[in-house]
Amino acid sequence: AQSVTQLDSHVSVSEGTPVLLRCNYSSSYSPSLFWYVQHPNKGLQLLLKYTSAATLVKGINGFEAEFKKSETSFHLTKPSAHMSDAAEYFCVVSNSNSGYALNFGKGTSLLVTP
Amino acid sequence: GAVVSQHPSWVICKSGTSVKIECRSLDFQATTMFWYRQFPKQSLMLMATSNEGSKATYEQGVEKDKFLINHASLTLSTLTVTSAHPEDSSFYICSAPEGREQYFGPGTRLTVT
Repeated sequence: AQSVTQLDSHVSVSEGTPVLLRCNYSSSYSPSLFWYVQHPNKGLQLLLKYTSAATLVKGINGFEAEFKKSETSFHLTKPSAHMSDAAEYFCVVSNSNSGYALNFGKGTSLLVTP
Repeated sequence: GAVVSQHPSWVICKSGTSVKIECRSLDFQATTMFWYRQFPKQSLMLMATSNEGSKATYEQGVEKDKFLINHASLTLSTLTVTSAHPEDSSFYICSAPEGREQYFGPGTRLTVT
């Protein structure tokens, strides 16, 4: 079995300040972990992924995430938020045992204020 | 990167009619495709796994007779919503894996009136 828990349904930050979106995972097998972003009425865009290589993963648009097995966490961070970062963010887990089907977290809505 | 397309991008249909949604992998072959549903302001929920040449595998609570899936070729999976009702209105998204990465279609917004 596998699942992810996104600890915050909404996060609000000021433009230029750091972003932290929290995610904890549960997986019986070695997981692959992803962060996706979804802008209003748009498709999903992959920000970054962890697939058992380096634990610190750098993604697009300045985002990065660190895989911490001891804490079963995969938090998403960005040093400085931009207005265009406002969107819905999903933490996702998959593993080979599930045929790589993705289990999505409930999502975190990021609001960036001027 | 690999590209997955969906058609149509949006559809409006009357209650009781059926709607077919296509998912295509444009530049790679996919023996497996996944269908997700996303209700407004909610997360994506896996509905079923589409397998080329065999029956689809449905998640618990998803009616297989209502959501017919056909994976007729290595590049095409179709989802048919039969006898659609307003509560079936949703955003339907497909994905196809290549290696350990998933490629998502842009989604199909279904509105049942």
